[in-house]
Amino acid sequence: GAVVSQHPSRVICKSGTSVKIECRSLDFQATTMFWYRQFPKQSLMLMATSNEGSKATYEQGVEKDKFLINHASLTLSTLTVTSAHPEDSSFYICSARLGASKWNGYTFGSGTRLTVV
Amino acid sequence: ILNVEQSPQSLHVQEGDSTNFTCSFPSSNFYALHWYRWETAKSPEALFVMTLNGDEKKKGRISATLNTKEGYSYLYIKGSQPEDSATYLCAFQESTGNQFYFGTGTSLTVIP
Repeated sequence: GAVVSQHPSRVICKSGTSVKIECRSLDFQATTMFWYRQFPKQSLMLMATSNEGSKATYEQGVEKDKFLINHASLTLSTLTVTSAHPEDSSFYICSARLGASKWNGYTFGSGTRLTVV
Repeated sequence: ILNVEQSPQSLHVQEGDSTNFTCSFPSSNFYALHWYRWETAKSPEALFVMTLNGDEKKKGRISATLNTKEGYSYLYIKGSQPEDSATYLCAFQESTGNQFYFGTGTSLTVIP
């Protein structure tokens, strides 16, 4: 089946540094990728939607200059948390749509646990 | 932000017991209700995509029902096994867009 590989699974970084999270589609082309985050005891919340070759669309309240999304190829999307602060500590997970239509299926990466100290 | 609620938050059952959990979601602008099984450090695994009111789907010992008029779905596990231990997530997909609205999940632990 369609697999999305997400790395790293866990990262600890110092406050003020940047962290890059990668999601690769291994056996299909991911035209559209979704980035979610989950704070403790809360649900997965959509941060942004990225389409290959174009700028990402960010949800209300998500700073686009802080969470840089690059989707330069059909198999790779990255999320960079710039100048990370402890409040950015969260679980981040990507999801790829399996096809061009929003009615196609979706598959997920395995997530990244970010801790900013 | 749409409200999707799952209950209970966590559940411990003995091996062999049957169990069920609930997902409630808005009854308007409905397109689909997704159920996922999510083990720690793994990707959420799609269990069911349900689109029609009255849908019942089954996969082995796991089944799900859907009521779009009242906005709820039940997930049932018959004869729980330790390997069923996971978090079960539901997600509401609305008719107007891509976005999924997730519940907080039900964490199931099956005790051998």
